[in-house]
Amino acid sequence: AQSVTQLGSHVSVSEGALVLLRCNYSSSVPPYLFWYVQYPNQGLQLLLKYTTGATLVKGINGFEAEFKKSETSFHLTKPSAHMSDAAEYFCAVSERGKSTFGDGTTLTVKP
Amino acid sequence: DAGVIQSPRHEVTEMGQEVTLRCKPISGHNSLFWYRQTMMRGLELLIYFNNNVPIDDSGMPEDRFSAKMPNASFSTLKIQPSEPRDSAVYFCASSSDRGMYNEQFFGPGTRLTVL
Repeated sequence: AQSVTQLGSHVSVSEGALVLLRCNYSSSVPPYLFWYVQYPNQGLQLLLKYTTGATLVKGINGFEAEFKKSETSFHLTKPSAHMSDAAEYFCAVSERGKSTFGDGTTLTVKP
Repeated sequence: DAGVIQSPRHEVTEMGQEVTLRCKPISGHNSLFWYRQTMMRGLELLIYFNNNVPIDDSGMPEDRFSAKMPNASFSTLKIQPSEPRDSAVYFCASSSDRGMYNEQFFGPGTRLTVL
């Protein structure tokens, strides 16, 4: 069975600082991994995804994530936070067409 | 493409009433998901359809909840009778499994308040 653990339900950074949101997964098959972002009063939007190939994946808005099989991790990073990055972020693992989502991490960006 | 369409966007009802939420997936997508999001429980998968057939309904909380997908372009989630603890945001999402990626496209959600 697949599962996702997001470490830290709330992360706060200053504008311009590095953003690091942690995600660890378990899956019985090679995983498809995703990061979604949810802005207030909106549905989830895909940020980036890993399926096969290059382990460093680039997404929208300057975010990227690295798939590390040995660590079963798929952490999300952004070199410099912007106020508009404040949102809730969900890591997900997909297996056989069904995704399992983590509990989400709320990112706060301080001016 | 218009994306996933959900209606209504907001619903306020009284305990005991029937509530029907509607979803139109993206054209060509053959998988459809219903989720519920609350502060306490986060994002929960309620039911998952593939090619209009329910595949996994283990997340449906109880018999008061039912979901149908009569055709590839329409699905409903019904709560009868509704209770205050059903208050939540309900999301519909769709995806295509013709490719390898299985990412889901979410609708804007229906905010349900049961008084």
